[in-house]
Amino acid sequence: GENVEQHPSTLSVQEGDSAVIKCTYSDSASNYFPWYKQELGKRPQLIIDIRSNVGEKKDQRIAVTLNKTAKHFSLHITETQPEDSAVYFCAAHYGKLTFGQGTILTVHP
Amino acid sequence: DGGITQSPKYLFRKEGQNVTLSCEQNLNHDAMYWYRQDPGQGLRLIYYSQIVNDFQKGDIAEGYSVSREKKESFPLTVTSAQKNPTAFYLCASRGTNNYEQYFGPGTRLTVT
Repeated sequence: GENVEQHPSTLSVQEGDSAVIKCTYSDSASNYFPWYKQELGKRPQLIIDIRSNVGEKKDQRIAVTLNKTAKHFSLHITETQPEDSAVYFCAAHYGKLTFGQGTILTVHP
Repeated sequence: DGGITQSPKYLFRKEGQNVTLSCEQNLNHDAMYWYRQDPGQGLRLIYYSQIVNDFQKGDIAEGYSVSREKKESFPLTVTSAQKNPTAFYLCASRGTNNYEQYFGPGTRLTVT
């Protein structure tokens, strides 16, 4: 089955800096790659996603890039703010979603 | 918040008891999912259902059971056979022509 590895497990940045989280997946047939943000005790919420026929997608301060050949995709957050602090999960879809282990992002004011 | 509800928010049970977690959606979604979340781990799929009266095991189905008698409802029963049931349980749903999954608020189950 699909296996998704996510790095780093924790990430600490200063407000205004950029943050990058990377994921690799094992099944080349995966065709959809969402990123979820989960605040403490809350439900995961989709922040951006990308399909396998697209290499990059951007939405204001967040962007996702996909390299199908290398089977990895990354989340980029620019101009980080304290409210970006949360756990971020990547996932890959082939029939069902398989999630990475999560990255705890802390943005220091 | 997506029209998915889970109840209760917190649930406490004694070891050896079965317990059923509720998940209801009013989004008219065909597919529904149950995930388990443990600290430091991602979401792991327990069971999923693509259509009423049909469901499939996910990656960690042992000790759990589900039913899908109505489109709106997908209850999860945590049985006494589940060795480590204390966790945060999340339900999700998805529309037929959309990959995006919408999550409920979760139920935190504590078994002592």
